[in-house]
Order: sequence, then C-alpha cells, then structure tokens
Amino acid sequence: KAGVTQTPRYLIKTRGQQVTLSCSPISGHRSVSWYQQTPGQGLQFLFEYFSETQRNKGNFPGRFSGRQFSNSRSEMNVSTLELGDSALYLCASSFGGGNEKLFFGSGTQLSVL
Amino acid sequence: GENVEQHPSTLSVQEGDSAVIKCTYSDSASNYFPWYKQELGKRPQLIIDIRSNVGEKKDQRIAVTLNKTAKHFSLHITETQPEDSAVYFCAASIQAGTALIFGKGTTLSVSS
Repeated sequence: KAGVTQTPRYLIKTRGQQVTLSCSPISGHRSVSWYQQTPGQGLQFLFEYFSETQRNKGNFPGRFSGRQFSNSRSEMNVSTLELGDSALYLCASSFGGGNEKLFFGSGTQLSVL
Repeated sequence: GENVEQHPSTLSVQEGDSAVIKCTYSDSASNYFPWYKQELGKRPQLIIDIRSNVGEKKDQRIAVTLNKTAKHFSLHITETQPEDSAVYFCAASIQAGTALIFGKGTTLSVSS
C-alpha cells in the first residue's frame, strides 16, 4: 500500500512569491495535518483537514492556508513568502478518528531567497 | 492552546546505557501522548504511545510513563544501541481531531 506522497520534494522561491504544496494521503485516510519543521523549533502544527473541512488550526499567520479535496488529497498555500518561511513542510495522514498513529510524508523542502 | 515542553534538547550516552527524555504538557484535556523517532533525513515514525487511562506502557527496550496529575510523561530507552541515535519528539493530542502538538525534540547520540 502506497505511503503518504508529498510533491514537490524541493522548492526554491523568492520573497513575496507564493507557493502551493501537495499531499496525497494513504488510501482510506480522511485526515491530513500539516507541520512546519525547522532546526531547533521541532514540528510546529499548521492545520488539520478532515472530510474537506479544517478541523484544527495552529498559530500561524493568515498567509498560510490549506484545503482538502473530496479524494482527501490536501494542498497547502503560502502567500507573500518571507525568508523565515524556509523550512521542511511535512504532512501526515490518518483515518481521522482521533488519538491514532500519524503517517508522515517525506516532506517538501522550501527555500526562500 | 496546548503547549509541550521537552528536555533535554541533546543527550549523549554510551552504548548499553539507559536514556530518559521528559516532557510536560499544559492542557489537562489532552489524553493521547505519542513519541516519534526521526532518523537523519527520514520522516518521523511512531515508536510508542500512551493514553491517559494508562500509567505505563512497555515495548521491548522502550517504555513510556505518564503522570496526569503532574502533566508530564517520559520516554525510557534501556540498553541503548547506536541505531537508537535519532531525534525523538514527544507530542500531545488536540481535542476533537488527530493533530498533535510536538515538543522541540531531543537529539540522542549513542556512541559505541
């Protein structure tokens, strides 16, 4: 069974641009959550989607947004990129019932120049 | 919202020694506490988890303890091996969902 797939694997953007990252969950999983990973800050929660609805949101500015499609695939968008947005963005999928194992993708490494 | 503190940030042990990583959380409503291991260049993977109705759970060389009154939980690794070297993250659940709040991680180095 295929794992969680994130595309693209690497991205290089300049300040002020916007970017869209994609996450395809494991088949049958309905929950997708997104995390930002930077050295020293660990994994910071961005938001979680379940059945096309945002169920939880972390403490990130409105420049960070997401959505989920009917096939459970999710996209994350960052507008007006800042240097500090450079990070590894990880998505994780699960069945969505709560208190369960998350399956992480390999991440998208975003560099903002 | 939930906040998770994790200590220490780095831990170096000799092969065969034990390692202990401690976490505290702020939201008394959290009821699920997993631990993830991330090897260099790889994705985080669940190694053990505990729910609030259990005080301790073991799986071979790893164990997790939970003190709900004090709002802290710990990971114990016995007989450490070089392949245990990785970054370990503790986490606590957010109500009504599967999202987690993670600690900042502990880099464990096991030298032979």
